[in-house]
Amino acid sequence: AQKITQTQPGMFVQEKEAVTLDCTYDTSDPSYGLFWYKQPSSGEMIFLIYQGSYDQQNATEGRYSLNFQKARKSANLVISASQLGDSAMYFCAMRPTSGTYKYIFGTGTRLKVLA
Amino acid sequence: DVKVTQSSRYLVKRTGEKVFLECVQDMDHENMFWYRQDPGLGLRLIYFSYDVKMKEKGDIPEGYSVSREKKERFSLILESASTNQTSMYLCASIQGYNSPLHFGNGTRLTVT
Repeated sequence: AQKITQTQPGMFVQEKEAVTLDCTYDTSDPSYGLFWYKQPSSGEMIFLIYQGSYDQQNATEGRYSLNFQKARKSANLVISASQLGDSAMYFCAMRPTSGTYKYIFGTGTRLKVLA
Repeated sequence: DVKVTQSSRYLVKRTGEKVFLECVQDMDHENMFWYRQDPGLGLRLIYFSYDVKMKEKGDIPEGYSVSREKKERFSLILESASTNQTSMYLCASIQGYNSPLHFGNGTRLTVT
């Protein structure tokens, strides 16, 4: 079955340190896309980063990078130099099959950045 | 920038009421979605629409219906609200297959 697993319900990180949020996925499809979203307390979902299953290099967007390990079916989000504004809920999502828009979301990880 | 606007930020309704949640996007996206978000369950797809008057059930369509009469507007309807429909509802739209979902700010619905 298609599934996204985020095993860390909550995490703390000290300001200016790096943090890794875990995401594993399960699909038998050769073509898929992986996304990370941030949801601050205000409720809006903000797109952070995308990785396609055929992309050769790990995606990076500013302080965000995606550690994509295809064989292990993991797509961990790395946030470098954490800031207080990074405190939020983070969701990993997968677009599992070519031609479908039925994205699958994980249960999320709540990150708290400490001053 | 894409803007997805949900008409209400907070709603309180009574059990048995018919509830309309409205969503409008301004970027001519063909695909629009309604998700429900509950703690510990992540986001679950209720319905999505890939064109005007076209819709497809998501994972949890029971108790909900949708309407898409115009490309920019996608409405979620709770025919007879129940307390177990108390939740955060998120609308989203998408430009293309490898594009990210663009979300509205959400509607927090409480059914009493």
